[in-house]
Amino acid sequence: EDQVTQSPEALRLQEGESSSLNCSYTVSGLRGLFWYRQDPGKGPEFLFTLYSAGEEKEKERLKATLTKKESFLHITAPKPEDSATYLCAVPLPGAGSYQLTFGKGTKLSVIP
Amino acid sequence: EPEVTQTPSHQVTQMGQEVILRCVPISNHLYFYWYRQILGQKVEFLVSFYNNEISEKSEIFDDQFSVERPDGSNFTLKIRSTKLEDSAMYFCAVAGQGHSPLHFGNGTRLTVT
Repeated sequence: EDQVTQSPEALRLQEGESSSLNCSYTVSGLRGLFWYRQDPGKGPEFLFTLYSAGEEKEKERLKATLTKKESFLHITAPKPEDSATYLCAVPLPGAGSYQLTFGKGTKLSVIP
Repeated sequence: EPEVTQTPSHQVTQMGQEVILRCVPISNHLYFYWYRQILGQKVEFLVSFYNNEISEKSEIFDDQFSVERPDGSNFTLKIRSTKLEDSAMYFCAVAGQGHSPLHFGNGTRLTVT
């Protein structure tokens, strides 16, 4: 059973059309939830770490939020340059903080 | 810019050959990791390395794999006898102390023919 599930798998937005990506997790004793952006042929680029329910972090047009079961990545008024695959990841229980299990990602396409 | 530089960017090798993938961190980091991503699949943890020792490894990291930090700067992943299923992007990642984030390099694309 996947411990990190992302939805939708793919999302097409018009430029300026705000939306949210979802990451649900089933691990207990969460020790951090990580959001990354991945461009084609590149490594994951760190965006945010969230540690506790109710926590929010923002960076430009992105805002990440966390509940006890899921995290959302809200994208406000996206631009074409926001097109990428967005990954979330959590450490496995009992494993090191950076022994991460990743979701399959949401591929975001922002159309001009 | 990534905090680690990986070389080569693309490596093509024949099945059964040995390959060495290299990672050079830009600044001092304490923790080193290798992850891989098979085309179209999830990013997967392989191994973590701290204080010149492997601290954790996954089931993927079998006897065909090894890591070392031969000169205090480079961090390498060796695959002794490559298989077709080793074809993937291999990412080096680094972290500092405390809650510093995990930063990934841009990867080496390994193609085994």
